[in-house]
Amino acid sequence: GENVEQHPSTLSVQEGDSAVIKCTYSDSASNYFPWYKQELGKRPQLIIDIRSNVGEKKDQRIAVTLNKTAKHFSLHITETQPEDSAVYFCAAPRGQAGTALIFGKGTTLSVSS
Amino acid sequence: ETGVTQSPTHLIKTRGQQVTLRCSSQSGHNTVSWYQQALGQGPQFIFQYYREEENGRGNFPPRFSGLQFPNYSSELNVNALELDDSALYLCASSARTSDRGEQYFGPGTRLTVT
Repeated sequence: GENVEQHPSTLSVQEGDSAVIKCTYSDSASNYFPWYKQELGKRPQLIIDIRSNVGEKKDQRIAVTLNKTAKHFSLHITETQPEDSAVYFCAAPRGQAGTALIFGKGTTLSVSS
Repeated sequence: ETGVTQSPTHLIKTRGQQVTLRCSSQSGHNTVSWYQQALGQGPQFIFQYYREEENGRGNFPPRFSGLQFPNYSSELNVNALELDDSALYLCASSARTSDRGEQYFGPGTRLTVT
């Protein structure tokens, strides 16, 4: 089945710096890769996703890149702000898009001002 | 915020007891997935329901069971509770017909087993 590895487990940056979180997946048939942000005591929130037919997607300060050959995808946050501090999870589908997700173990991002 | 709701928000049970958690999916979504999130971990897939039938199951024992109703709301039942069942239980709704696969989470139920 699908396996998702996420690195690093913790990441500390200064406000204004960039942050990059990387994930690898095992199932070459996977075609949908979402990223979730979870603040303390709250639900995971979908912040960006990418399908396998594109290599990069941007939404303001966040972007996701996908390398299908290497089976890895990354989350990039530019101009980080203290409110970006949270746990970030990558995920990949157990089967086709629309089915359940397998999550990475999470990255705790701390942005200090 | 998503349109996914869960009840109750918090629950304390004793080992060996049974518990039922509830989830109402977002309008227009016909699929509900349940996840267990232990402290400091990512959500772990329990099972998914589509059109009132189980549509995939993770590595959880049979004492974890569920239901989906005609209005697409869902229940998660856990029998013979164990201490390790203490976790945040999240449901996520999605549109099975969507080719994008977005899943939207409810606020979760925090279960504590003593």
